[in-house]
Amino acid sequence: DVKVTQSSRYLVKRTGEKVFLECVQDMDHENMFWYRQDPGLGLRLIYFSYDVKMKEKGDIPEGYSVSREKKERFSLILESASTNQTSMYLCASSSSNSPLHFGNGTRLTVT
Amino acid sequence: AQRVTQPEKLLSVFKGAPVELKCNYSYSGSPELFWYVQYSRQRLQLLLRHISRESIKGFTADLNKGETSFHLKKPFAQEEDSAMYYCALRVQGAQKLVFGQGTRLTINP
Repeated sequence: DVKVTQSSRYLVKRTGEKVFLECVQDMDHENMFWYRQDPGLGLRLIYFSYDVKMKEKGDIPEGYSVSREKKERFSLILESASTNQTSMYLCASSSSNSPLHFGNGTRLTVT
Repeated sequence: AQRVTQPEKLLSVFKGAPVELKCNYSYSGSPELFWYVQYSRQRLQLLLRHISRESIKGFTADLNKGETSFHLKKPFAQEEDSAMYYCALRVQGAQKLVFGQGTRLTINP
């Protein structure tokens, strides 16, 4: 069974802090994704990656960056956290043309 | 741009009643459609995909290209069906999914 693990379930950070959200998958998937989940807005794609050291912007990349130094790990970085980035963040992975498998999510609160 | 619309934010039905969660999409090519479900305090998980044409937990969904719809149906709702449901689309040649806004389904006893 595919396992996508997000390192933190809950995070509380202050405005202006640099925040790292970590995601690891154990199925050798080439594709990894970061979405944010907000009530009434559904899931919106922030960034995705098709391969190591490769990244592409999603629909809402502003204020975020990503890093994929190893195939199994995909990190989301908030360079300077703001209150409007308070949200649930979901990481997912997939192999070619397979469904996405999601992690449990990280609920980030920025105060 | 591709878009997925779930017109109902909230849907409440009684146990044993039929359920239909609506999903419409906009895409001119051949899409791949999915339904994902999120039960309370659990991760988002795949419920079904249209290319499998299978029934999962009594749910079915048929892709209607003429109406650009992929509605999720179940003839007799059960209390354990209460959850958040998301419809999603993948365009040809892409790996990412585009999600709808989600519908929260509540089954009343």
